[in-house]
Formats: sequence, structure tokens, C-alpha cells
Amino acid sequence: DTEVTQTPKHLVMGMTNKKSLKCEQHMGHRAMYWYKQKAKKPPELMFVYSYEKLSINESVPSRFSPECPNSSLLNLHLHALQPEDSALYLCASSQGRTGYEQYFGPGTRLTVT
Amino acid sequence: GQQVMQIPQYQHVQEGEDFTTYCNSSTTLSNIQWYKQRPGGHPVFLIQLVKSGEVKKQKRLTFQFGEEKKNSSLHITATQTTDVGTYFCAGHQAGTALIFGKGTTLSVSS
Repeated sequence: DTEVTQTPKHLVMGMTNKKSLKCEQHMGHRAMYWYKQKAKKPPELMFVYSYEKLSINESVPSRFSPECPNSSLLNLHLHALQPEDSALYLCASSQGRTGYEQYFGPGTRLTVT
Repeated sequence: GQQVMQIPQYQHVQEGEDFTTYCNSSTTLSNIQWYKQRPGGHPVFLIQLVKSGEVKKQKRLTFQFGEEKKNSSLHITATQTTDVGTYFCAGHQAGTALIFGKGTTLSVSS
């Protein structure tokens, strides 16, 4: 199974809402990532978890809060977002943190109104 | 800071023509990876190059890694409409996270 799943596929939320994005992989990968992608731009790294511990936080605003409950799951908690946070949020996993290919999920298309 | 530059930004070709995208890093890379993202899709891993001067082929796709491990290219021979999408190079420096180039968007007309 080389699939990374993400839910929901689409999400519309107001600026005062709290919501969560979920990601799951069953490949035994020990590194998991959150990326943000705007239209016609490359994926922009937000967070990296390695062995369920946060190893990289690319200066992401605190309104984004990651969580790694176990080695297969990755969540991204959203609170008080801004319209400019509207984007495709991609989850990815890899066997290790560096030197390995990354498997991306289909993404969550987020719209903040 | 660490950068991976990629050109061209856009390329339109007639079906059957060849296509090349180029990637350059300001610093030496441990490895370079290539991904393809179809319109409306997510990035899909194509290949990883690790050795200086390495050349790898996948059917009509040829990938090269430069001798100094600072540049790379992806060449597609005889493009087909199924090749449409954005091709990203992405490089690792030692111990760092993957750095993506800005991508080359390929369109193909039949």
C-alpha cells in the first residue's frame, strides 16, 4: 500500500472556526510532512515530524498547530485562520527524514471566508 | 539562503516534440528528486539521483545530475498529451529538508 490519505478533500471555514485536517499512511514511514501549496507555486514546507516528534517548524503562525498521535497519523489543527491561508494543504510521508522520496496525499483544498 | 532555481517556468510544445527542464542549486546537493503534478492533482515522485554525473532513464524520460551535483535536467522525448503537468525538481542538502524548485509547467497540443 503506497497511499497517503487525507480528509477532508475540501473545507470551507470562517475566520473564527476551529477545524482539523487529517492524514494517514500505512507504509511504515517514520517521517511525515505538512505542506501548503498556492496555485501555480511549489509546495511550501510547514512542518516535519520524524519518529513522531516535531523536527522542523518553518516559522509557521501559531494558528496552525500540528499533531502526530502515532506513527501512521498526522493532524493539522486550524484556528482563527485568515483568507490568505486559503490553499491546498498536502500531507506527505517518507521512509526517513532526508534522502528518501516523499509520497504525497491528494490534499485538502481549504477556503477561508 | 538555500535555493533551487528551475527554468523555464512554462513550456508549450506540439505533440511529438521534445521538452527539457533545468534545475540549478546555489550549493552542492546530496541528491535531487523529480516530481510531476498533474493539473488538479498532487506531486508524484518520479526519480531520485544521488551520484555525480548520474543519468537515469524511464521510457521517454531522461534525468541527469551534474558532475558538481549542483544542477539537473529532465528531458522528455516525443512528448504526448499525457505528459502535461508541472515538473518539480527538489534537492536535499546534507541534513536539510527538501527544497523545491518553482516548477516547469508543460502544455502539449495535439
